[in-house]
Amino acid sequence: QVQLQESGPGLVKPSETLSLTCTVSGGSVSSGSYYWSWIRQPPGKGLEWIGYIYYSGSTNYNPSLKSRVTISVDTSKNQFSLKLSSVTAADTAVYYCARDYRKRLDYWGQGTLVTVSS
Amino acid sequence: NFMLTQPHSVSESPGKTVTISCTRSSGSIASNYVQWYQQRPGSAPTTVIYEDNQRPSGVPDRFSGSIDSSSNSASLTISGLKTEDEADYYCQSYDSSNHGVFGGGTKLTVL
Repeated sequence: QVQLQESGPGLVKPSETLSLTCTVSGGSVSSGSYYWSWIRQPPGKGLEWIGYIYYSGSTNYNPSLKSRVTISVDTSKNQFSLKLSSVTAADTAVYYCARDYRKRLDYWGQGTLVTVSS
Repeated sequence: NFMLTQPHSVSESPGKTVTISCTRSSGSIASNYVQWYQQRPGSAPTTVIYEDNQRPSGVPDRFSGSIDSSSNSASLTISGLKTEDEADYYCQSYDSSNHGVFGGGTKLTVL
């Protein structure tokens, strides 16, 4: 059974960089069949697609976040990561990592709340 | 880019049938597959419909999906409603550049 687990600081100061890692078990980020995605959900609001990465390192980002987002993959650790720079309170959200199989997000992590506050 | 518009909330009684719509603002609804996700409070979303009308294994056949080109919308229909179906439901698709787009979500109340 594929499992994804997000990890990283739960509190980030304004203007700093948010960094999260997603560890995959029961499957491999090196598989050519999947893309590895990040999605976020502000408290009490809807889902927002952030972007994805392929095992080769190819990425695709939400145009509204593109200037601040970097997604990377570490095949040796079976992990992929998210960095979001210059954060503000509007970036406070539950951040999910997920596996994208043929445009379907079929496995999700449990999510991790990141609060942006001084 | 386009938007996916869903009703904010719907409610229906147990045993009844409810349909949740998802209207695409521009471009054809048929040009990219639509997925539907169920999210219960405090939990991550799970897929109930993918590729417009396909059900993952383990999802009851009470859940069905369709698209309607005339209204440029997708629909999720849940029949024989159960209290456990109470959740938020999100439609999702991709644009021509493979950027993901989510609808705003619909809160289903089963009362």
